[in-house]
Amino acid sequence: DGGITQSPKYLFRKEGQNVTLSCEQNLNHDAMYWYRQDPGQGLRLIYYSQIVNDFQKGDIAEGYSVSREKKESFPLTVTSAQKNPTAFYLCASSISPQGLGGYTFGSGTRLTVV
Amino acid sequence: KQEVTQIPAALSVPEGENLVLNCSFTDSAIYNLQWFRQDPGKGLTSLLLIQSSQREQTSGRLNASLDKSSGRSTLYIAASQPGDSATYLCAVMILTGGGNKLTFGTGTQLKVEL
Repeated sequence: DGGITQSPKYLFRKEGQNVTLSCEQNLNHDAMYWYRQDPGQGLRLIYYSQIVNDFQKGDIAEGYSVSREKKESFPLTVTSAQKNPTAFYLCASSISPQGLGGYTFGSGTRLTVV
Repeated sequence: KQEVTQIPAALSVPEGENLVLNCSFTDSAIYNLQWFRQDPGKGLTSLLLIQSSQREQTSGRLNASLDKSSGRSTLYIAASQPGDSATYLCAVMILTGGGNKLTFGTGTQLKVEL
């Protein structure tokens, strides 16, 4: 089945540590996105990529970094510069680079700072 | 700046009832609108995608309507079932000069009781 796979499902980070969240899709979609979800707030865009080897900052990119070396993969690194990283992280993809065909989401990674 | 509001924030209904969830947006120049379902601790599942030129979309017991001029969409669920219990999110797409932007509402948490 085609879809988006996020791993791990749960992740714990110590203070000052960088962690990387994985997102892989086998839908042959051009665009990929990272969102953060906090209780009582709508999803907020962290980074997005419309094509391989290109990505753009979203609304809350500070403290995060991404790469898009392969079409199917869009990993997100939460760096020590992100002061409040505890949240639910969602990866999404869209068939067109402009994101016009609707979005497909992964099952999410819950990150907790310990 | 596009703002998306969903009312009510929470809703509890008895099984079998027909119900309507509301979504309003401030900028009517949208490209499309998408309804999602989110189960606790899970990712988003796409339910319906309505293009700006369309008035409604149907899938099984779900019907979504769009009134772009008034900035409103409704999701109608017929003959509700306990399995429909989830949070329902709407999201609107705006075309921009840079990356196109999908803005989410904060959701309506639905509980269907036996």
